[in-house]
Amino acid sequence: KAGVTQTPRYLIKTRGQQVTLSCSPISGHRSVSWYQQTPGQGLQFLFEYFSETQRNKGNFPGRFSGRQFSNSRSEMNVSTLELGDSALYLCASSFFTGQGENGYTFGSGTRLTVV
Amino acid sequence: KQEVTQIPAALSVPEGENLVLNCSFTDSAIYNLQWFRQDPGKGLTSLLLIQSSQREQTSGRLNASLDKSSGRSTLYIAASQPGDSATYLCALTPTQGGSEKLVFGKGTKLTVNP
Repeated sequence: KAGVTQTPRYLIKTRGQQVTLSCSPISGHRSVSWYQQTPGQGLQFLFEYFSETQRNKGNFPGRFSGRQFSNSRSEMNVSTLELGDSALYLCASSFFTGQGENGYTFGSGTRLTVV
Repeated sequence: KQEVTQIPAALSVPEGENLVLNCSFTDSAIYNLQWFRQDPGKGLTSLLLIQSSQREQTSGRLNASLDKSSGRSTLYIAASQPGDSATYLCALTPTQGGSEKLVFGKGTKLTVNP
């Protein structure tokens, strides 16, 4: 079965611009979460969506936002880009039950470079 | 606040050696613990998932153990190969917080030399 698909794979943006990243989870998975990975901070949780509702949000400024559609596909948006937003953005999907018995499957990521 | 630590940050071994990667966490209230592998510039590949009620999981040359009482997990790699070179990350799902988000360690970068 198809894995987690993230598009685009690479992006180069200028400071002040905004960007939208897309994630399509594994078929049947309704939980999608986003993580930012940088060399200095490692992997940090951005937010989690389940059935179109944001269930949890990490400690990021309001410039970072996301949403989930009825088909479970998710997008994240970063407005007013800063150089420090350059990172690998990873999306993960899970068959969420609230009992934690299922693991996460990650996509290949979107590499965002802000210049 | 749950914290996950992986030591060492980097490890270099000769091919064929058996090795152990370590992961420690501060709060034993977890749903599960998952080990991932990440190749440079790529996403994460899940290796093993251990439920909180389990003590270990095995897949091929990999064996992961979990000891919640001591807040530790280990990933054992038998007969290492150059293709095992990657960064290995452990991540756990805390039971608090009302969601299933992952808390990651910073990883161990493994190099297996031919």
